[in-house]
Amino acid sequence: TQLLEQSPQFLSIQEGENLTVYCNSSSVFSSLQWYRQEPGEGPVLLVTVVTGGEVKKLKRLTFQFGDARKDSSLHITAAQPGDTGLYLCAGAGDTGNQFYFGTGTSLTVIP
Amino acid sequence: NAGVTQTPKFQVLKTGQSMTLQCAQDMNHEYMSWYRQDPGMGLRLIHYSVGAGITDQGEVPNGYNVSRSTTEDFPLRLLSAAPSQTSVYFCASSYGQKGQPQHFGDGTRLSIL
Repeated sequence: TQLLEQSPQFLSIQEGENLTVYCNSSSVFSSLQWYRQEPGEGPVLLVTVVTGGEVKKLKRLTFQFGDARKDSSLHITAAQPGDTGLYLCAGAGDTGNQFYFGTGTSLTVIP
Repeated sequence: NAGVTQTPKFQVLKTGQSMTLQCAQDMNHEYMSWYRQDPGMGLRLIHYSVGAGITDQGEVPNGYNVSRSTTEDFPLRLLSAAPSQTSVYFCASSYGQKGQPQHFGDGTRLSIL
């Protein structure tokens, strides 16, 4: 069972454009993480959000955790080719022992 | 500091063969886990361990065994490989539990013919 749905699945944009990736679930998570994965490598953590309504910024990336801790979004401002990659959200269950990953959003930023 | 090391990087097996995917971490992390990644499915948890001597099943454990005899090592065994197990396998580790950041290896690409 896939608990986390990401949209869109694929996204191709021009350099300089803005974009938002969504991560939705009907389940409540104790925390939610966003990872970025490049071809041939493992995912690398970008951010962890814990509190409902929390907003975190990482340079041009803004992450938000939904008030009910069921959903999250990642907004990228002025996308650059270096942002190209697979973006994955991951929710931790109540015990924190199991992580449920989203389906992934493959982003391509065209120079 | 090597982080999480997975071996081999690539492997081709015939149906019915067995093999062990190796995972080692040098960060003294308590929590280790194995995932498989398939197109359009994200990563799915196979097995995980919260410390030496303790393992538990994840979402898709069938056909796989694990053991955790030391803090550093967490091997994944395929008992009798099937084409449905063709995938990219990732090992991850983190401090403790409760949603701590996970550190991933670079993966093992496994094909079952």
